[in-house]
Amino acid sequence: KAGVTQTPRYLIKTRGQQVTLSCSPISGHRSVSWYQQTPGQGLQFLFEYFSETQRNKGNFPGRFSGRQFSNSRSEMNVSTLELGDSALYLCASSLQGTQETQYFGPGTRLLVL
Amino acid sequence: QQQVKQSPQSLIVQKGGISIINCAYENTAFDYFPWYQQFPGKGPALLIAIRPDVSEKKEGRFTISFNKSAKQFSLHIMDSQPGDSATYFCAASKGNRDDKIIFGKGTRLHILP
Repeated sequence: KAGVTQTPRYLIKTRGQQVTLSCSPISGHRSVSWYQQTPGQGLQFLFEYFSETQRNKGNFPGRFSGRQFSNSRSEMNVSTLELGDSALYLCASSLQGTQETQYFGPGTRLLVL
Repeated sequence: QQQVKQSPQSLIVQKGGISIINCAYENTAFDYFPWYQQFPGKGPALLIAIRPDVSEKKEGRFTISFNKSAKQFSLHIMDSQPGDSATYFCAASKGNRDDKIIFGKGTRLHILP
């Protein structure tokens, strides 16, 4: 079974721009969660999608949004980028949710200049 | 009440020694406590998880000890090996799938050869 894939792997943007990151979950997994990882804050939960619906949301501003498609693939969008948005963005998939084993992708490293 | 406090931030252990990482939580509604292991350039991977109906769970050299009354849980790595050098994250979530998972800030473990 193929693992979780994320594209692109690396991205450089400038302040004020927007960015869209993509995540393809493991086949059959309906839950996709997104996390922001930074050296100072560790892993912070952004949101979870299940069957195309946002089920949970972390404490991030509205500039961070996402969606899930009928094939469970998910996208995350960040608008009006700020320097502090520089981070590794990870997505994880599971069959039913974060209450069970989540399988993480390799992440997208975003640098905002 | 939603925090998971992880310590130490970094840890150096001699090969063959025991590595111990601790986590504390406040919300007594948490009932799923996983540990994830992350190598550089990779996404986290589930190592071992425990639910509060048991006080200890062992898988190979890895053991979770759980103290419900103290609201603490810890990861013990016996006979630590250089290949165990990684960042370890504890996490906690509630049984309700409609709730988010909270991660600790991580422990960077280095095993000296």
